[in-house]
Amino acid sequence: AQKITQTQPGMFVQEKEAVTLDCTYDTSDPSYGLFWYKQPSSGEMIFLIYQGSYDQQNATEGRYSLNFQKARKSANLVISASQLGDSAMYFCAMRDRTGANSKLTFGKGITLSVRP
Amino acid sequence: DAGVTQSPTHLIKTRGQQVTLRCSPKSGHDTVSWYQQALGQGPQFIFQYYEEEERQRGNFPDRFSGHQFPNYSSELNVNALLLGDSALYLCASSHGLAGVTSSYEQYFGPGTRLTVT
Repeated sequence: AQKITQTQPGMFVQEKEAVTLDCTYDTSDPSYGLFWYKQPSSGEMIFLIYQGSYDQQNATEGRYSLNFQKARKSANLVISASQLGDSAMYFCAMRDRTGANSKLTFGKGITLSVRP
Repeated sequence: DAGVTQSPTHLIKTRGQQVTLRCSPKSGHDTVSWYQQALGQGPQFIFQYYEEEERQRGNFPDRFSGHQFPNYSSELNVNALLLGDSALYLCASSHGLAGVTSSYEQYFGPGTRLTVT
């Protein structure tokens, strides 16, 4: 069974600084995809970044980068130059291989607060 | 280009009642997935529809049922509501037949917040 673990308590970061949000996963499948989503208080899940299990390089999307360590089964999100608008819940998720276009399994999420 | 839309935004129901939630996928998407997000938790997968059929189902009782229409829109029905069904219900759309390691992400709607009293 797929499992995503996010155990950090609420995170605080000063505006313009970088922050790392931790995510570990567990799967027995060699093929999987890892995602990070942002959920502001409005409730909508906003896609941030994706990493495939076979990707050789760490994914980057603007200020977001994913520190993918396959042997350690970790997929930490790094946000550079934090902005006040980054304050939100952040979820790590995995797509499993049971069928095409498979479901996402989410972690419990991490609350990030950016201080001015 | 309209994103995923859901209706209604908020809903209050009484225990034992039935509820129907609606979702229209993003233009060009043909697959709809439904998730339940309890307060303080991550979303939990309910089921997924593709080509008007339920393709995958999570660990939810059969009080939860769904439907997909020819225009790819979808409904989530919950019968015999329990207090524990109070949650944010998220609909996500995606492109069908995307592989496991495809970067096709699921686009989420704003959700329907259901309160059962």
